[in-house]
Amino acid sequence: QQQVKQSPQSLIVQKGGISIINCAYENTAFDYFPWYQQFPGKGPALLIAIRPDVSEKKEGRFTISFNKSAKQFSLHIMDSQPGDSATYFCAPGAPSNDYKLSFGAGTTVTVRA
Amino acid sequence: NAGVMQNPRHLVRRRGQEARLRCSPMKGHSHVYWYRQLPEEGLKFMVYLQKENIIDESGMPKERFSAEFPKEGPSILRIQQVVRGDSAAYFCASSPPAVTGELFFGEGSRLTVL
Repeated sequence: QQQVKQSPQSLIVQKGGISIINCAYENTAFDYFPWYQQFPGKGPALLIAIRPDVSEKKEGRFTISFNKSAKQFSLHIMDSQPGDSATYFCAPGAPSNDYKLSFGAGTTVTVRA
Repeated sequence: NAGVMQNPRHLVRRRGQEARLRCSPMKGHSHVYWYRQLPEEGLKFMVYLQKENIIDESGMPKERFSAEFPKEGPSILRIQQVVRGDSAAYFCASSPPAVTGELFFGEGSRLTVL
């Protein structure tokens, strides 16, 4: 049972462009919607997260958009930089299962200079 | 360094040997989660522990795998009689007592089984 579907699997964007990654989920009990960033050989690091009481959250160049009715949330990276080249994971969680985060398969973002 | 500490970072074992992976959570954190990541895949939940208690081990294989988080010392993920399919990166994450979903991950332990 795949609870979380992340797309695209990979994307290439020019420096200064916008990267958009989508995450669709099935479990309506999820109430925490984070995005993690992972560089090769490193552990995932929390990038930005949203709760369902808001539809959008922005932190610097990173924005989460949340659509509760569609059961989807997305990550937008504005003015993409080469240093943003990494793998990004959505990983929603629910209090009913102690926030065992359900990781998507990941999106590898490559930002070309 | 106040982050989640994992060791060893890299571990090589031959088939049939035992692997022990250690995780020290962030200061003040009392919850530990272990995840496994296969190449080119996302992280899969294995086990969730609090001090001296296993809360949820639903993601852990029934045989050869065990985990503990003693009152003193790090959490340990133990894999007995390793097989090649156990080769993966094992990540530990910790969270504070008030569980909100925000997990802080270590750098991982990369196990290679020859």
